[in-house]
Amino acid sequence: AQSVAQPEDQVNVAEGNPLTVKCTYSVSGNPYLFWYVQYPNRGLQFLLKYITGDNLVKGSYGFEAEFNKSQTSFHLKKPSALVSDSALYFCASASGNTGKLIFGQGTTLQVKP
Amino acid sequence: DAGVIQSPRHEVTEMGQEVTLRCKPISGHDYLFWYRQTMMRGLELLIYFNNNVPIDDSGMPEDRFSAKMPNASFSTLKIQPSEPRDSAVYFCASSSGQGYYGYTFGSGTRLTVV
Repeated sequence: AQSVAQPEDQVNVAEGNPLTVKCTYSVSGNPYLFWYVQYPNRGLQFLLKYITGDNLVKGSYGFEAEFNKSQTSFHLKKPSALVSDSALYFCASASGNTGKLIFGQGTTLQVKP
Repeated sequence: DAGVIQSPRHEVTEMGQEVTLRCKPISGHDYLFWYRQTMMRGLELLIYFNNNVPIDDSGMPEDRFSAKMPNASFSTLKIQPSEPRDSAVYFCASSSGQGYYGYTFGSGTRLTVV
């Protein structure tokens, strides 16, 4: 069955430090992987996607994610966190066979000054 | 393109009333998804359509929920009768080509059932 797991409910980092938000997936066929961000009382904003090609994907606002097929992971990273990065982050997967998009439970990122 | 358009943005209704949420996908997109977001359950996929045909409705919580897509530019999610536990934010999203080009979300409808 298709699924996405985000093992951390919350990640706390200090401003200026690197951040990582973890995601693992299970999908049949070629995985399409996405990260979305949601600010309070707002909709979901697209950050980046992995469809094929380089395992390191660069996205909006300085975020990047690394696709690791052997570990079935797609962790979100940023070299230097900003207070304004504080938000709810969702990892999502779609199967290239079906197009069905499934989300993880979300991880709240808190960046403290 | 104006993106995925959802209406209304906010809906407050009394328990037992019928509620209809509306979605206009991006022109040319052949997939449409309805999600529900709550604090307890996070983002749940309720149903999705491909070329106006429902493909998977296994996430629809009860028979009180129904969704239709009469044409490529319009979909509705109906709750009848509504209950307080249906209070949530409902998102619509659309995509093209089984997600290869990404998914675009609407701004959501915040439903409150009192």
